[in-house]
Amino acid sequence: NAGVMQNPRHLVRRRGQEARLRCSPMKGHSHVYWYRQLPEEGLKFMVYLQKENIIDESGMPKERFSAEFPKEGPSILRIQQVVRGDSAAYFCASTVDQGEQYFGPGTRLTVT
Amino acid sequence: KQEVTQIPAALSVPEGENLVLNCSFTDSAIYNLQWFRQDPGKGLTSLLLIQSSQREQTSGRLNASLDKSSGRSTLYIAASQPGDSATYLCAVPTSGTYKYIFGTGTRLKVLA
Repeated sequence: NAGVMQNPRHLVRRRGQEARLRCSPMKGHSHVYWYRQLPEEGLKFMVYLQKENIIDESGMPKERFSAEFPKEGPSILRIQQVVRGDSAAYFCASTVDQGEQYFGPGTRLTVT
Repeated sequence: KQEVTQIPAALSVPEGENLVLNCSFTDSAIYNLQWFRQDPGKGLTSLLLIQSSQREQTSGRLNASLDKSSGRSTLYIAASQPGDSATYLCAVPTSGTYKYIFGTGTRLKVLA
């Protein structure tokens, strides 16, 4: 049973470009969390998704950020018009509803 | 508003010692609490999940307890080993939401 997969592991974008981060949950898991970890800071909740449904997006910045979890395929976190402050590690975690969270290895985004 | 505090922030001990890491939270209306470890530059590894109806959980040399009424959880590590060196994080949900709040962690170093 493969673990949670994230790709790419490292992503470099210039200011103003778009970043797309992908997360494939563990087999049998129908829910995904996205978190952001800024350098030298703790993990911050961004969004909680079920397939085809956003359950809680209270941690998402109001602009430029969006997330989806389609019926088929990975969950995607999309950041439009990236700025230097978006540079961080982005982690996803998969779970059955409100159960134990299993984390992926993260995507490290660098904005130049 | 849920706030999570972990004490101590850092700990350095010789191999073989038994350790206690502490996690405090302000809102006791939680349905579970989860402990993780994070190695430098890596994702999080789930250690233990305690449901609100449980008082403790054990896995190998790890034992986690939960006292909801006082807003505390402890992670006990028996017979510590250099391979236990990592940052240990606890996470709890915010009441009425799916949003998890992480503590800033305890950075543990076990010396050979």
